[in-house]
Amino acid sequence: GIQVEQSPPDLILQEGANSTLRCNFSDSVNNLQWFHQNPWGQLINLFYIPSGTKQNGRLSATTVATERYSLLYISSSQTTDSGVYFCAVEEIGGSYYKLTFGKGTLLTVNP
Amino acid sequence: SQTIHQWPATLVQPVGSPLSLECTVEGTSNPNLYWYRQAAGRGLQLLFYSVGIGQISSEVPQNLSASRPQDRQFILSSKKLLLSDSGFYLCAWSAKNTIYFGEGSWLTVV
Repeated sequence: GIQVEQSPPDLILQEGANSTLRCNFSDSVNNLQWFHQNPWGQLINLFYIPSGTKQNGRLSATTVATERYSLLYISSSQTTDSGVYFCAVEEIGGSYYKLTFGKGTLLTVNP
Repeated sequence: SQTIHQWPATLVQPVGSPLSLECTVEGTSNPNLYWYRQAAGRGLQLLFYSVGIGQISSEVPQNLSASRPQDRQFILSSKKLLLSDSGFYLCAWSAKNTIYFGEGSWLTVV
């Protein structure tokens, strides 16, 4: 099956700093999503981004499908950005929406 | 709008006891439904998915089972829990190219 690798595994920032999270995947994909898991466990959709660039407030994401990677940018980080960020991809040819998740990046933003 | 709920939110169960986690989706019909588990170490593992009533597919062999008695209801069960069943269980539904997760259920087997 497809492999999804995220880096870095852990990241500690001071409030106000910027960061880039990376997601590499081993094969062509139909879809790619970024999620934020808050400290209470809730998984929140951030972006559906199989290719191109999207922005939502202080967050933006870019996927370069031909090179099999995606980047999540967090600017002017806040303590509420803390949590685990997951990248998940959908393989081509599936009969249902099957996502393969990376192991996530644990982000800690200190005040 | 669509919503997804799962319960209970937390439970502590002894080894060998049964388990039932329930998930319901509102505001959509015939959704694809999923059960994921997140063990220590963060990764999410797909356990079961369902494309319709009574249609269940398992991704990994395990001590758990799933059922879909109604279109928008998905149940995760076990007859006898193992210590290794501890973890965070997430129900999800998908539409088009997006997946949405429930609040999760923390299971501790003691």
